[in-house]
Amino acid sequence: DQQVKQNSPSLSVQEGRISILNCDYTNSMFDYFLWYKKYPAEGPTFLISISSIKDKNEDGRFTVFLNKSAKHLSLHIVPSQPGDSAVYFCAASVTGNTGKLIFGQGTTLQVKP
Amino acid sequence: SAVISQKPSRDICQRGTSLTIQCQVDSQVTMMFWYRQQPGQSLTLIATANQGSEATYESGFVIDKFPISRPNLTFSTLTVSNMSPEDSSIYLCSVQRALEYNEQFFGPGTRLTVL
Repeated sequence: DQQVKQNSPSLSVQEGRISILNCDYTNSMFDYFLWYKKYPAEGPTFLISISSIKDKNEDGRFTVFLNKSAKHLSLHIVPSQPGDSAVYFCAASVTGNTGKLIFGQGTTLQVKP
Repeated sequence: SAVISQKPSRDICQRGTSLTIQCQVDSQVTMMFWYRQQPGQSLTLIATANQGSEATYESGFVIDKFPISRPNLTFSTLTVSNMSPEDSSIYLCSVQRALEYNEQFFGPGTRLTVL
């Protein structure tokens, strides 16, 4: 039972353009969502998060959008840079429950110079 | 965010042996977790390491196979016991300041290969 899904295993964009990574979830109890970036041989790095009471959160080049009715969130990176090339994971949790994060399968982003 | 270190960073082990992985945080945190990332897969929670009490295991993970210790608020260990090649994975610890804070921060991981 895959409660968090990232249906695109990979994405390739040109430097300077926008990268859009998508994530869908099935559990309506999730009320907090996070994006992590992972380079090979490193642990995941926290990027940005959003609470279900919001529909948008922005931090520099990174913006996360949440559509609760569609159970869908997306991460926008603009402008994309070659250093953004990594695997991106979305994760979901229920606030104040156990702290458990449910991760999607990840999307490999390649930003071409 | 906290600074998290893990030892060892990688290891190659023989079938049937055990390996203990250490996780050290530079500040006191309420919650510590252990995750596994199998090759080509996502991250899966193994257990929550509880300070002063037994760890809370997720479905499919048992204490005999993955014993966990958490003697204080800055340190935890995960042991992978009686290893088989299927245990080859990256093992990651993560920390969360307290239950009401949703963000978790991850250590660099331990890459384990079992022959």
